[in-house]
Amino acid sequence: GEDVEQSLFLSVREGDSSVINCTYTDSSSTYLYWYKQEPGAGLQLLTYIFSNMDMKQDQRLTVLLNKKDKHLSLRIADTQTGDSAIYFCADGRSSASKIIFGSGTRLSIRP
Amino acid sequence: GAVVSQHPSRVICKSGTSVKIECRSLDFQATTMFWYRQFPKQSLMLMATSNEGSKATYEQGVEKDKFLINHASLTLSTLTVTSAHPEDSSFYICSARGLAGGANTGELFFGEGSRLTVL
Repeated sequence: GEDVEQSLFLSVREGDSSVINCTYTDSSSTYLYWYKQEPGAGLQLLTYIFSNMDMKQDQRLTVLLNKKDKHLSLRIADTQTGDSAIYFCADGRSSASKIIFGSGTRLSIRP
Repeated sequence: GAVVSQHPSRVICKSGTSVKIECRSLDFQATTMFWYRQFPKQSLMLMATSNEGSKATYEQGVEKDKFLINHASLTLSTLTVTSAHPEDSSFYICSARGLAGGANTGELFFGEGSRLTVL
């Protein structure tokens, strides 16, 4: 099965908060990342969190990590049309020095 | 911030030909580069890890003779798709982990991607 799982789609109203969820399976994860991909483009690192942290906030972005449940979430406050993109959760595995991506969540914004 | 550049961004080729994609770190030295493949509406799948001066490490199911990776310098890695076929059509993305800054956080810097279409 998938090592990093995300729901495929999320639709929110402009101005509302978006919450994108992710679960992972590897207990050796050191860093967990959120990347943003706009159509036809590469990936942009939005934020990351160390595995010994519970929360990280960066302007409109809030990352919550529940290490016990291996659950990660990204909250985008005051969602704007420019936030429309695919958001990838990624698991950085210190044991293998590589990063494994989830399937990506397509965020769409409705007026 | 750090920049990773890929070239070409788009390439169309005939079946049976070979295609080379370059990945360059423009303002930092990259000891490790990764090559990913992304099918439409799907996630990135790690193909291989490329370390400067040594052989690439391929993920399970990736044919090393089909996808040749060379990382001859600290700023350049190349992926060659040999004898390309239509099923190789995909979006190929490279990423690089630098010696400074990136190495401390594990942050990867991504290229813009290269879209390969094999006719």
